[in-house]
Amino acid sequence: DAGITQSPRHKVTETGTPVTLRCHQTENHRYMYWYRQDPGHGLRLIHYSYGVKDTDKGEVSDGYSVSRSKTEDFLLTLESATSSQTSVYFCAISDPVASVTQYFGPGTRLLVL
Amino acid sequence: LAKTTQPISMDSYEGQEVNITCSHNNIATNDYITWYQQFPSQGPRFIIQGYKTKVTNEVASLFIPADRKSSTLSLPRVSLSDTAVYYCLVGDRNNFNKFYFGSGTKLNVKP
Repeated sequence: DAGITQSPRHKVTETGTPVTLRCHQTENHRYMYWYRQDPGHGLRLIHYSYGVKDTDKGEVSDGYSVSRSKTEDFLLTLESATSSQTSVYFCAISDPVASVTQYFGPGTRLLVL
Repeated sequence: LAKTTQPISMDSYEGQEVNITCSHNNIATNDYITWYQQFPSQGPRFIIQGYKTKVTNEVASLFIPADRKSSTLSLPRVSLSDTAVYYCLVGDRNNFNKFYFGSGTKLNVKP
C-alpha cells in the first residue's frame, strides 16, 4: 500500500469551530487531493495540489481551504465547521511519472454537531 | 467532467463470474477508463485501467469495445470478500482532478 496517512482518523466537533485535517505521504508524489464522501454518493473533489504552494479548487470547495508547504503534507481546513460538512474525508496522491493511478488514504470521519 | 453510468447494485454468488458494465458516451480521445474498488470504511483502491480492447491483470479483466462508449469490468469467480462498491472513472490520467466518481455499483456476493 502507498504510504499515505491521515490524521485524525475520527473527529467530533461543534458548529462554528475551525477544523484542520492532515494528509501525509511518504511517496514523494507531486499531486495531492482532498475528497469528501457522503452516503449514497461517490467521492467529490474539494481541492487539489499540483506542487508545493500550488493548489486549485475542485467541485465542492466552498467552506474549505487548503495549504501545502511541503511535498509530503496537504492540510484541509474548515474555517468554521457546519453540520453539512459532516462527512468522510479522503486524501489521495498521484504522480503521472510514477504511476497511472491515484492512491487513497484511509479516510477521516468528521462529525459536526 | 466525463460522466459515467453504472448499475446501482448487483447480486452474485460465490464462484460466479461478475460483469459490471459502465457507459461513458462522452469519452474523449485522451481519456482512459479506470476502475476502483472500495470496501466500507476504506479509501478506493485501483483495480484496472485500459484505453481500448482488453486488459487483464491478476484481479480482473477490462473489456472495451472499439467505439469506447462503454466498458465492462469482469471479476472471475467472485468470493464473499469481493463484496464492495466498484467505481468506473473516465478521464485523462494526467489530470485526476477532472475525474468524476459517481455513485458506483454496489456488488453483493452471497454464499
